Amino acid sequence: DGGITQSPKYLFRKEGQNVTLSCEQNLNHDAMYWYRQDPGQGLRLIYYSQIVNDFQKGDIAEGYSVSREKKESFPLTVTSAQKNPTAFYLCASAGRAFSYEQYFGPGTRLTVT
Amino acid sequence: EDKVVQSPLSLVVHEGDTVTLNCSYEVTNFRSLLWYKQEKKAPTFLFMLTSSGIEKKSGRLSSILDKKELFSILNITATQTGDSAVYLCAVAPPGTASKLTFGTGTRLQVTL
Repeated sequence: DGGITQSPKYLFRKEGQNVTLSCEQNLNHDAMYWYRQDPGQGLRLIYYSQIVNDFQKGDIAEGYSVSREKKESFPLTVTSAQKNPTAFYLCASAGRAFSYEQYFGPGTRLTVT
Repeated sequence: EDKVVQSPLSLVVHEGDTVTLNCSYEVTNFRSLLWYKQEKKAPTFLFMLTSSGIEKKSGRLSSILDKKELFSILNITATQTGDSAVYLCAVAPPGTASKLTFGTGTRLQVTL
């Protein structure tokens, strides 16, 4: 089955620790995205990548880092510099040239205490 | 700053009712408007609208875009409990696989 997987579904960390969220897709999509969703705020773009070995900051990149070493993988690291990391994180991908339709993974809920 | 505003924020209706969800936008560059349905976790794509006045329809759901007044509506007729979800509106600028700007969503609850 083609799709996007995110792991883990739930993640608990202590304040001050870095944590990496996984996102993998087997849709052969070029573009991948990370969003953060907080109650009442909709989805906000953290980072995106349109091609392997290249990525750009989104609207709220501070305290996060990404890599895109393989087409199918786009891991997100939430660093200790992120002041309010507890949130629901969604990964998405988009395929064909000029495609605006993004396909979303099931999300990871991160709780930092 | 690009802005997408959805209304109402939440809505409770009875099964069988018809609902209209609104999305207005103020963006620097506009290419398309997209609607997504988020039931529990992963948003799923519903519609993409690029041209004004052309209705897109899928079963009981339909949507239309007004590029002059900068808004879109999503209609759901004969609602069912399975329509309960958060409906997200997003605007895309020109470009390949572009960044989307999302609204805060409308939470719809359909009761028996």
